[in-house]
Amino acid sequence: GQNIDQPTEMTATEGAIVQINCTYQTSGFNGLFWYQQHAGEAPTFLSYNVLDGLEEKGRFSSFLSRSKGYSYLLLKELQMKDSASYLCAVIWRQTGANNLFFGTGTRLTVIP
Amino acid sequence: GAVVSQHPSWVICKSGTSVKIECRSLDFQATTMFWYRQFPKQSLMLMATSNEGSKATYEQGVEKDKFLINHASLTLSTLTVTSAHPEDSSFYICSARDLSGQLSSPLHFGNGTRLTVT
Repeated sequence: GQNIDQPTEMTATEGAIVQINCTYQTSGFNGLFWYQQHAGEAPTFLSYNVLDGLEEKGRFSSFLSRSKGYSYLLLKELQMKDSASYLCAVIWRQTGANNLFFGTGTRLTVIP
Repeated sequence: GAVVSQHPSWVICKSGTSVKIECRSLDFQATTMFWYRQFPKQSLMLMATSNEGSKATYEQGVEKDKFLINHASLTLSTLTVTSAHPEDSSFYICSARDLSGQLSSPLHFGNGTRLTVT
């Protein structure tokens, strides 16, 4: 693969906050996306980071540190419907501006 | 927003037959479309990049003669799984980006096709 690492599974409580981490190979880095995927469905876009810092969108925020090759997705006020897989995807210059490579995904289970 | 339509949503076929999956960009033109495959509890794996008017680019380990890709127009790409076998059973998903192609524009995904080969 392209050395994208995410935890395989996480569990969190409804109403709580959860942080899903993603590390990647820094050489040639050219952008990082987070997608949400419910079982049996196609992924849906959540966020995009290419510069260092935090991007906030409602209950979801995404952070990037390019020097560390690290990103996280932060989900606040968790709801049961947030139970899904969260995919970190990266673009590298050497593989083309259009090619996204996906991590293995983190399966999040929200419990009451 | 941009929409990608994929058809069929699911298909069951017998071993040895061929199956065609269509991917259409509905409100934008896409010179490039991508085909992914996803096995249960695994992430998306890029199979090939479909280029309008030219040959597709296949990822390492993907047989181009088995997975035929045609991208005849700016809004349609097709993936044909030839001589399907049970191990080809998987979730196939296509995706595309708006022609404006800004790096920040996300890939839009079709709803996927669940292929079961018996």
